[in-house]
Amino acid sequence: GENVEQHPSTLSVQEGDSAVIKCTYSDSASNYFPWYKQELGKGPQLIIDIRSNVGEKKDQRIAVTLNKTAKHFSLHITETQPEDSAVYFCAASILGSGGSNYKLTFGKGTLLTVNP
Amino acid sequence: NAGVTQTPKFQVLKTGQSMTLQCAQDMNHNSMYWYRQDPGMGLRLIYYSASEGTTDKGEVPNGYNVSRLNKREFSLRLESAAPSQTSVYFCASRGGYSDEQYFGPGTRLTVT
Repeated sequence: GENVEQHPSTLSVQEGDSAVIKCTYSDSASNYFPWYKQELGKGPQLIIDIRSNVGEKKDQRIAVTLNKTAKHFSLHITETQPEDSAVYFCAASILGSGGSNYKLTFGKGTLLTVNP
Repeated sequence: NAGVTQTPKFQVLKTGQSMTLQCAQDMNHNSMYWYRQDPGMGLRLIYYSASEGTTDKGEVPNGYNVSRLNKREFSLRLESAAPSQTSVYFCASRGGYSDEQYFGPGTRLTVT
């Protein structure tokens, strides 16, 4: 089955700096890569996702890049703010033609701390 | 719209006791999922239901059973709780034209 490795496990940055979290996946058939943010005491929430037919996607201060050849993808957060402090999870999946029963395989998470 | 709701929020069980975790969604989603989250382990899929009337095993199904009661509700049952099942349990749903999984607030379960 799919295996997703995520690094680093913890990341501390100063407010205004950039943060980068990296993930690798093992199954070359995976074609959907979401990133989830989990704040303390809450469930994870999708912040950005990318499909394998796209190399990069941006949404304001957040961007994700994908390298299919190397089987790795990364989350980039620019101009970090204290409210960005949370646990971030990457995931990988195979979306089929119906897509109704796909399963996500998650990385183990990165605790991001943004220091004021 | 409440989204995905889970009950209870907290539960303490003794080894060997049984209980059912409840999950409901009001988004008319077809697919529902149960995950467990342990420190340093990320989120691991226990069971999922692609649509009403179907259920399938995920990565860590041993010791659990599920029931897709109807389109809205998906319950997770622990028949004989063990300390290794101490965890935070999340329910999620997905449907429509979105690939996004929507998560509930979680149930923190402690088995002593």
